Amino acid sequence: AQSVAQPEDQVNVAEGNPLTVKCTYSVSGNPYLFWYVQYPNRGLQFLLKYITGDNLVKGSYGFEAEFNKSQTSFHLKKPSALVSDSALYFCAVRGMDSSASKIIFGSGTRLSIRP
Amino acid sequence: ETGVTQTPRHLVMGMTNKKSLKCEQHLGHNAMYWYKQSAKKPLELMFVYNFKEQTENNSVPSRFSPECPNSSHLFLHLHTLQPEDSALYLCASSQGTSGLYQETQYFGPGTRLLVL
Repeated sequence: AQSVAQPEDQVNVAEGNPLTVKCTYSVSGNPYLFWYVQYPNRGLQFLLKYITGDNLVKGSYGFEAEFNKSQTSFHLKKPSALVSDSALYFCAVRGMDSSASKIIFGSGTRLSIRP
Repeated sequence: ETGVTQTPRHLVMGMTNKKSLKCEQHLGHNAMYWYKQSAKKPLELMFVYNFKEQTENNSVPSRFSPECPNSSHLFLHLHTLQPEDSALYLCASSQGTSGLYQETQYFGPGTRLLVL
């Protein structure tokens, strides 16, 4: 069965510092990986996805994520955090062997950027 | 603004009430989804519709009844809910799930439901 784990409930970073939000996954076959962000009282917004090709994926708002097949990870990163990046971040995975609709979301990581 | 709207944004209902949640997408997509987001739990996929046909029902209790009259509209009919059903209900759409595993989903703002 496929699964995704976000090991940190909360990540605290000072503004201007680099940030990392961790995600690991388990699927049979090749994964399709996604990051979504949720701001207060809003639905989820797409940030970036990995389908194939370059392991480093660049997305919205200066975020990027690196697909690491050997470590089954897809950590979200940003070189310099902004206070406005404070939100709830979700990693999601789909495996090629399952129905296209069976997307699995992680439990979310709350990112808090202090001024 | 993602092109997916949900109404109402907030709903309070008693356990004997019947209510409906509405979702509308203006993106020309063919697939629509209902999710449940509870505090401290992963986002749970409830139902998936593709070209108006239900393709996924993740063991959702029958007190939740979805309806998809066309590719742009999705409803979730609620009846005799329990307090533990209180949550944020999110609607999403994507191009179409006909084998396109890499589709991005576009989410609405959600309906926050409180069952008393």
